[in-house]
Amino acid sequence: DTTVKQNPRYKLARVGKPVNLICSQTMNHDTMYWYQKKPNQAPKLLLFYYDKILNREADTFEKFQSSRPNNSFCSLYIGSAGLEYSAMYLCASRSRDWGDQDTQYFGPGTRLLVL
Amino acid sequence: QQQVRQSPQSLTVWEGETAILNCSYEDSTFNYFPWYQQFPGEGPALLISIRSVSDKKEDGRFTIFFNKREKKLSLHITDSQPGDSATYFCAPRNMGYKLTFGTGTSLLVDP
Repeated sequence: DTTVKQNPRYKLARVGKPVNLICSQTMNHDTMYWYQKKPNQAPKLLLFYYDKILNREADTFEKFQSSRPNNSFCSLYIGSAGLEYSAMYLCASRSRDWGDQDTQYFGPGTRLLVL
Repeated sequence: QQQVRQSPQSLTVWEGETAILNCSYEDSTFNYFPWYQQFPGEGPALLISIRSVSDKKEDGRFTIFFNKREKKLSLHITDSQPGDSATYFCAPRNMGYKLTFGTGTSLLVDP
């Protein structure tokens, strides 16, 4: 099973309110990623966990938090949502054992709308 | 600065034709070049990939042509089918953990 699950699929949030998105995978992958995707733009990496080590991109460092309580779950947390956070959020996971196929497996995404 | 550029932004071909999707990059440390295919309502999924030591990779109707000197690559889809209608992302990587996505090409195959 190469499924990455994301909850919820759709999220409506108010400006200034917190948002928590959830991702899970059962492939025992060591690395999990969060991307932000806006229309007509490339998916943008926000942060990733390698095992229990969190790596956040420099330009989004203060905007997003994350936690990984165990190998299967990873969350993305926005403390105070702004209109600019409206986007599709994609979670992905990747195995340490790449073989010939170095693959990130993506979930279906959570569409966040901030009003 | 856009490190990975894809063209065209959108492409329409007739069923049975060959679709050609282009990708160029700036970072000379990129050494692995996957293409991801995304259908509406789904996340991207790996379609085909090539490493920088090769100049061509085939998988059925999908072929990557890679020109390291010019930092360009292209994805050729022969005998295009309506089921190939999707968005295609070029997303190269170097030795690290991060993919760098292009903005994608939206392909529509008309029956």
